[in-house]
Amino acid sequence: DVKVTQSSRYLVKRTGEKVFLECVQDMDHENMFWYRQDPGLGLRLIYFSYDVKMKEKGDIPEGYSVSREKKERFSLILESASTNQTSMYLCASFSTEAFFGQGTRLTVV
Amino acid sequence: AQSVTQLDSQVPVFEEAPVELRCNYSSSVSVYLFWYVQYPNQGLQLLLKYLSGSTLVESINGFEAEFNKSQTSFHLRKPSVHISDTAEYFCAVSVTGGSYIPTFGRGTSLIVHP
Repeated sequence: DVKVTQSSRYLVKRTGEKVFLECVQDMDHENMFWYRQDPGLGLRLIYFSYDVKMKEKGDIPEGYSVSREKKERFSLILESASTNQTSMYLCASFSTEAFFGQGTRLTVV
Repeated sequence: AQSVTQLDSQVPVFEEAPVELRCNYSSSVSVYLFWYVQYPNQGLQLLLKYLSGSTLVESINGFEAEFNKSQTSFHLRKPSVHISDTAEYFCAVSVTGGSYIPTFGRGTSLIVHP
């Protein structure tokens, strides 16, 4: 069974903290994505990656960075968390369809 | 760039009634089309997809969608819904031969009442 695993289901962080969200896939996909999901706004693309050490900005990259040191792992970094980054974060890997992780619900207080 | 419009943010329906969730897209090139379902506190799961061939595609749990190129639509239908179909449904599009980056609609919340 194919799998995309996000390291945490729920996180609570303080404003100003550096936050790492980890995502691992076991399908040997080259394409990986980070989305955030907010009510009424659907999924918005933060960053994506076509290959190791390669990254591209999505629609809302401000306040975020990413790291892809290995093909199976794609990390999302909030350099200095703010309350407006409270959201559901979804990682996906993609061939001709997207496979999603379970999501990380992040609350910044 | 492509875009997706889901015309209804919420669709309430009674159990065993038929339902249609509407999706329209815009793109200047050929596309792949998808419907994903999200149950509460979970990630998205693929429900069905159109890549090529027959314009009518079906899922294993009774949903179907038809690709209509002239109307740029990919509406999702089910003839008789169940309580367990209550979920958020997302339509998505990606361009063929390109980066495959999917663009998602804002989602439609299907609420099935007993």
